[in-house]
Amino acid sequence: NAGVTQTPKFRILKIGQSMTLQCTQDMNHNYMYWYRQDPGMGLKLIYYSVGAGITDKGEVPNGYNVSRSTTEDFPLRLELAAPSQTSVYFCAIRTGTNEKLFFGSGTQLSVL
Amino acid sequence: DQQVKQNSPSLSVQEGRISILNCDYTNSMFDYFLWYKKYPAEGPTFLISISSIKDKNEDGRFTVFLNKSAKHLSLHIVPSQPGDSAVYFCAAKKAAGNKLTFGGGTRVLVKP
Repeated sequence: NAGVTQTPKFRILKIGQSMTLQCTQDMNHNYMYWYRQDPGMGLKLIYYSVGAGITDKGEVPNGYNVSRSTTEDFPLRLELAAPSQTSVYFCAIRTGTNEKLFFGSGTQLSVL
Repeated sequence: DQQVKQNSPSLSVQEGRISILNCDYTNSMFDYFLWYKKYPAEGPTFLISISSIKDKNEDGRFTVFLNKSAKHLSLHIVPSQPGDSAVYFCAAKKAAGNKLTFGGGTRVLVKP
């Protein structure tokens, strides 16, 4: 999806490994979000940011960390990967009022 | 505690007929509701929204109805087309909030 770039698209991790999911936007929006999608469970908010230097927890932050040093980038860090973190991860930006989010194409992560 | 529920995980409809997707919520603080559409291997895309001060919003073939007393909203797609085959998520936002709560999704299959 143009405007929000997520890398990698796919990744397999071993239990206990760590990795960073990258999210970059070129639309200069302040609000950025990380969601995970589990089958049949909809999207759960992990972390979000309202601007550079400001981050806050969502519904399911445990096992993750984020940083927001620039407006463009909002990386999601997994420390000590666990099978429960197997999911599809989506980064999103808020493009207007009332949470009309614009999503990236996702990162499919498997932890084995 | 699922505050936004989509009780029908799947729906099959014939091309040209109406698709009706339902969504229930429990939190009376929600005041803005959105529907997102998701194709496989892509991020969700915004479809249509409605404010709690309205009971209907229409955009082409898509209409969202809101029944605040029943804490229920529905999405009507008329007429349904094969390209509408996707997963649809409803989402809700609290007044003055900046986070969305998503339902579990309904997979729609439109048969030619």
